[in-house]
Amino acid sequence: GAVVSQHPSRVICKSGTSVKIECRSLDFQATTMFWYRQFPKQSLMLMATSNEGSKATYEQGVEKDKFLINHASLTLSTLTVTSAHPEDSSFYICSARLWELGPEQFFGPGTRLTVL
Amino acid sequence: SQQGEEDPQALSIQEGENATMNCSYKTSINNLQWYRQNSGRGLVHLILIRSNEREKHSGRLRVTLDTSKKSSSLLITASRAADTASYFCATDSYGGSQGNLIFGKGTKLSVKP
Repeated sequence: GAVVSQHPSRVICKSGTSVKIECRSLDFQATTMFWYRQFPKQSLMLMATSNEGSKATYEQGVEKDKFLINHASLTLSTLTVTSAHPEDSSFYICSARLWELGPEQFFGPGTRLTVL
Repeated sequence: SQQGEEDPQALSIQEGENATMNCSYKTSINNLQWYRQNSGRGLVHLILIRSNEREKHSGRLRVTLDTSKKSSSLLITASRAADTASYFCATDSYGGSQGNLIFGKGTKLSVKP
């Protein structure tokens, strides 16, 4: 099946620093990649949708200058949390989709971000 | 904004029993998908049902869809301890940009051995 990886799996950083999270589709070229945020015991909230080579589409309420998304290739998307603050602490999950495979999304294992 | 609402929020059953989870949504959909999430992990796709389908089976999973009531149910038969996880429904709506999904709040299933 289609495999999506995320790196790092866990990161702890100081307030004010920036953190980059990578999302890779390992055995397929993703048409579209999605970034979600999940608070403890809550559902996934879509943050943004990105296609290779084009600007990401952010959901309402998500600051594009704070959550920078780069989708440089068909297998790699990165999310950079800039000037992180404790309220940014969360579980960030990416997913990838290939149109030819249908509407199913393939999820990465997630990244636990803790901002001190 | 969240589309799906699952109930119950939490479900505890004994191994061997069946587990039923329900999902309601608000807008017209192209398809509805069910995902499973083990604690602190990513999501795994379980099954997809299209808007023109009423029922679908996959192994021990049975999904129904009632578009008139905007609701779906996921039935896991003969549950196992390994089925313990959170289950989310997600809707793929007509007009949704690039196929993004809207997830419900999830049902936390606990299967006791």
